[in-house]
Amino acid sequence: NAGVTQTPKFQVLKTGQSMTLQCAQDMNHNSMYWYRQDPGMGLRLIYYSASEGTTDKGEVPNGYNVSRLNKREFSLRLESAAPSQTSVYFCASSEAGVTRTEAFFGQGTRLTVV
Amino acid sequence: AQSVTQLGSHVSVSEGALVLLRCNYSSSVPPYLFWYVQYPNQGLQLLLKYTSAATLVKGINGFEAEFKKSETSFHLTKPSAHMSDAAEYFCAVTPTGFQKLVFGTGTRLLVSP
Repeated sequence: NAGVTQTPKFQVLKTGQSMTLQCAQDMNHNSMYWYRQDPGMGLRLIYYSASEGTTDKGEVPNGYNVSRLNKREFSLRLESAAPSQTSVYFCASSEAGVTRTEAFFGQGTRLTVV
Repeated sequence: AQSVTQLGSHVSVSEGALVLLRCNYSSSVPPYLFWYVQYPNQGLQLLLKYTSAATLVKGINGFEAEFKKSETSFHLTKPSAHMSDAAEYFCAVTPTGFQKLVFGTGTRLLVSP
């Protein structure tokens, strides 16, 4: 069972560079999420997609864009990376919203911006 | 805005001792509450969730949590710690009307032999 797969696992960027974090799930889930994890701050929601074709901002969307390419894939793009975006990024998915069904998380992408 | 507060960024116990991780929520109405666990270099895994069906919720790996409305708490307990329980634990809440999780800052559980 693959579950939620994130690529890459590690990345180092220079300030101003752009990159896309990829996420794919094979559980036929409707909802997908992007979180960032920083020490002492828990996980904060960046963007989410309640269903294919829709996306919404979370708590910390500035500096990011997302694309729900199809039901399986939800990508996160950093257009111009900044050191403040150094973090661990997690993608998650759930069948129909996190209150009714469990959210499954990927293993994370550790991003460093220098 | 609804949120959760986890008291203690680190909790240390001996193997076989009681585990108690604290979580308090802020909400005017009982929310949906969750505990997730994160093992080193891994993603998060659901331990248990409260959805108003029962105040005492049992989860995986012998963990349980009790919802106490009068104390606005949802503390996580396990009677006897095992070395494999060493991990970071997150309490989370779903704000009313939203389909998203708001996480606490996490508590790292250290288990010594």
